[in-house]
Amino acid sequence: DAGVIQSPRHEVTEMGQEVTLRCKPISGHNSLFWYRQTMMRGLELLIYFNNNVPIDDSGMPEDRFSAKMPNASFSTLKIQPSEPRDSAVYFCASSRDQNEQFFGPGTRLTVL
Amino acid sequence: AQSVTQPDIHITVSEGASLELRCNYSYGATPYLFWYVQSPGQGLQLLLKYFSGDTLVQGIKGFEAEFKRSQSSFNLRKPSVHWSDAAEYFCAVGASGTGRRALTFGSGTRLQVQP
Repeated sequence: DAGVIQSPRHEVTEMGQEVTLRCKPISGHNSLFWYRQTMMRGLELLIYFNNNVPIDDSGMPEDRFSAKMPNASFSTLKIQPSEPRDSAVYFCASSRDQNEQFFGPGTRLTVL
Repeated sequence: AQSVTQPDIHITVSEGASLELRCNYSYGATPYLFWYVQSPGQGLQLLLKYFSGDTLVQGIKGFEAEFKRSQSSFNLRKPSVHWSDAAEYFCAVGASGTGRRALTFGSGTRLQVQP
């Protein structure tokens, strides 16, 4: 089992640029979660999907953030335009039914 | 709304000593409870979970946790700490039932192990 796969692992970009983070959940899992981790705010839920449908996006900071899940094996989190305060580690996690979430290795985003 | 409190931001123990990390939760019904560990630069790994049944749960790497409903606690323990246990530990609570399935995480406890 490959686990949750995230790409890229590291991203450095300049303010104003578009950033796209990618996630491949574990095969057979029906829920997918995007989290953001910062020193100041800890681990925050941004959005989660159940059976490819967004269920709760109340954690998405603002309209600059968007997430899609076009099929059961792929999801993207896009930031457009990016700002320095978006610098964080972004985690994707997946689960099947019972809340036990499996996390990917994360994408460390730096916005200059 | 559910919430998790980890009152200890940072703990230092000697290798071989016992360990207890505290976690208190707030949730209106029976919660699903989890402990995750995060090594530097890594993602979160599940140590153990509690859904129902026996309130003392065993996890990986020799960890255990006890659910105490009367105290709204789910403390993590290990009888003898190894240097490789140095990491950050997160307690999380999830909603039982068929509703919201996202987890709420505590702020984490950073464990340092002295030789």
